[in-house]
Amino acid sequence: ILNVEQSPQSLHVQEGDSTNFTCSFPSSNFYALHWYRWETAKSPEALFVMTLNGDEKKKGRISATLNTKEGYSYLYIKGSQPEDSATYLCAFYNSGAGSYQLTFGKGTKLSVIP
Amino acid sequence: EAGVAQSPRYKIIEKRQSVAFWCNPISGHATLYWYQQILGQGPKLLIQFQNNGVVDDSQLPKDRFSAERLKGVDSTLKIQPAKLEDSAVYLCASREAGTDTQYFGPGTRLTVL
Repeated sequence: ILNVEQSPQSLHVQEGDSTNFTCSFPSSNFYALHWYRWETAKSPEALFVMTLNGDEKKKGRISATLNTKEGYSYLYIKGSQPEDSATYLCAFYNSGAGSYQLTFGKGTKLSVIP
Repeated sequence: EAGVAQSPRYKIIEKRQSVAFWCNPISGHATLYWYQQILGQGPKLLIQFQNNGVVDDSQLPKDRFSAERLKGVDSTLKIQPAKLEDSAVYLCASREAGTDTQYFGPGTRLTVL
């Protein structure tokens, strides 16, 4: 059974603060790591798909890094805004799984206080 | 481009009743997934279809859950009879062949009383 851990479980920050969360995953048979943002009552939205060790991706104020050797990824949000309030999910795909299936972490719930 | 559609958005039923959820994936996406997300947990894969064939249903509780994708497009997920522990959000996702990203619908929130 693959274990994908996310921390912290929840986070409250003030508007304008920068923040980051962690996703840990098994380092063996790594293929890809996905980040999703899930706002209440909406569809989970794909943020990044990361495949290479040392990868760094950016989308506006959100960026992510990947370390496949030690099995972790960080998601950073610079200058948090109330609209960033959501649950951030990471999901791991390992090359030994055969068909393309994702194993999700429990998510980090971010609340940005105006 | 239209996204993944799901209905209903919310459903409340009594235990032992039956319920069905519907999913319409993005046009042309061959792979369709159903996930169950219980409060406080991450989404858990229930079943994966490739066109109208089942790729993996190893985590589907087959004594009460069933799913089909008869024409390789829309899919339905059924629970019969429902139990209290089936209360969850049921998410449908689709993926285009040769790509990595799964696109999700808004989910159906099921409450079993």
